[in-house]
Amino acid sequence: GESVGLHLPTLSVQEGDNSIINCAYSNSASDYFIWYKQESGKGPQFIIDIRSNMDKRQGQRVTVLLNKTVKHLSLQIAATQPGDSAVYFCAAGMRFGAGTRLTVKP
Amino acid sequence: DGGITQSPKYLFRKEGQNVTLSCEQNLNHDAMYWYRQDPGQGLRLIYYSQIVNDFQKGDIAEGYSVSREKKESFPLTVTSAQKNPTAFYLCASSPRLGGDSYEQYFGPGTRLTVT
Repeated sequence: GESVGLHLPTLSVQEGDNSIINCAYSNSASDYFIWYKQESGKGPQFIIDIRSNMDKRQGQRVTVLLNKTVKHLSLQIAATQPGDSAVYFCAAGMRFGAGTRLTVKP
Repeated sequence: DGGITQSPKYLFRKEGQNVTLSCEQNLNHDAMYWYRQDPGQGLRLIYYSQIVNDFQKGDIAEGYSVSREKKESFPLTVTSAQKNPTAFYLCASSPRLGGDSYEQYFGPGTRLTVT
């Protein structure tokens, strides 16, 4: 089955800096990946997705990079704001990683 | 106003009792899912359903049961056989199962405490 993991459980950045959250997956057959944001006490919310035939996808202030060779994906958040503080999960299909808690310091 | 609703938000039960968590969606999605989340951890898949009257075990199905009699509803029963039932339970739905239709819409969750 699929195993999805994150490299760091916590990340702390200064407001205005860029944030990078990393994730690794085990199943090379995985063809669709999603990043979710979860605020305290709420359900996860979709941020951005990427298909396996793509290397990069950009949204508003967020970019997802996919490296299929090493089975790694990352989420980049530009100009991080206090409202970005949350737990971020990567998912391969319906399997989720453990999450990274992002804290933005003012 | 479309979305997924879960009720109740907080639920307390005594050990040895079965308890059913509600999940309803009006998004016309075919697929629905149940996850369990423990403090500081990720989401673990309990059960999922691709279509009405069909459901499959996820990674941690032991001690849980589900039904999918209607497209809109996917209730989860936590039975007394579940050894550590205290957790945050999340229900989700997606248009279909598979491919790029895995973008899931989550409900607000139910926090179950069993003492």
